[in-house]
Amino acid sequence: AQKITQTQPGMFVQEKEAVTLDCTYDTSDQSYGLFWYKQPSSGEMIFLIYQGSYDEQNATEGRYSLNFQKARKSANLVISASQLGDSAMYFCAMRRPSGGYNKLIFGAGTRLAVHP
Amino acid sequence: DTGVSQDPRHKITKRGQNVTFRCDPISEHNRLYWYRQTLGQGPEFLTYFQNEAQLEKSRLLSDRFSAERPKGSFSTLEIQRTEQGDSAMYLCASSLGHATVRNTEAFFGQGTRLTVV
Repeated sequence: AQKITQTQPGMFVQEKEAVTLDCTYDTSDQSYGLFWYKQPSSGEMIFLIYQGSYDEQNATEGRYSLNFQKARKSANLVISASQLGDSAMYFCAMRRPSGGYNKLIFGAGTRLAVHP
Repeated sequence: DTGVSQDPRHKITKRGQNVTFRCDPISEHNRLYWYRQTLGQGPEFLTYFQNEAQLEKSRLLSDRFSAERPKGSFSTLEIQRTEQGDSAMYLCASSLGHATVRNTEAFFGQGTRLTVV
């Protein structure tokens, strides 16, 4: 069965430092897409970054990068130069196949707190 | 605001009552999704519409739940005879799907938080 595992319930980081949020996934499919979403206290899920299973290079979007290690089935999110506004819940999610519709499987999330 | 809009944002209801939520997707998006998120968990997929057709329903969507998307625009999610276990955040999302356009990510609304007392 497909599954997303986020082993860090909570993380703390000092403002302006980098932080890595872990995500491992389980699937036997060859084609899949991996997403990271941010959920602030307002409730809205905000798309951050996407990595397709066939993409050879790690995805980057501004301060966000995805460390994709296909053999280890991991897709860690790296946030560089943390800001106070980065404090939120972060969810890793998977879509199968990579080009399919957005029936997403989410992990349980990691709560990130950025300290001044 | 051109994002996904959900109404109401909060709903408190007594057990056994019926409730209905509305979702207005991004106007050009033909795909619409409903998810449910309970406290401390990630969202779980409930159902998917392409235009007005409901193409997939999760087994989480019991007979008490019904979703519609008349005319392929806004969608409603109705829960009949609510139970305390229905208390959750109900999230709506939309995306653009087209045969010749690479599928895009889902854009989510702010959700409707349901409390059944």
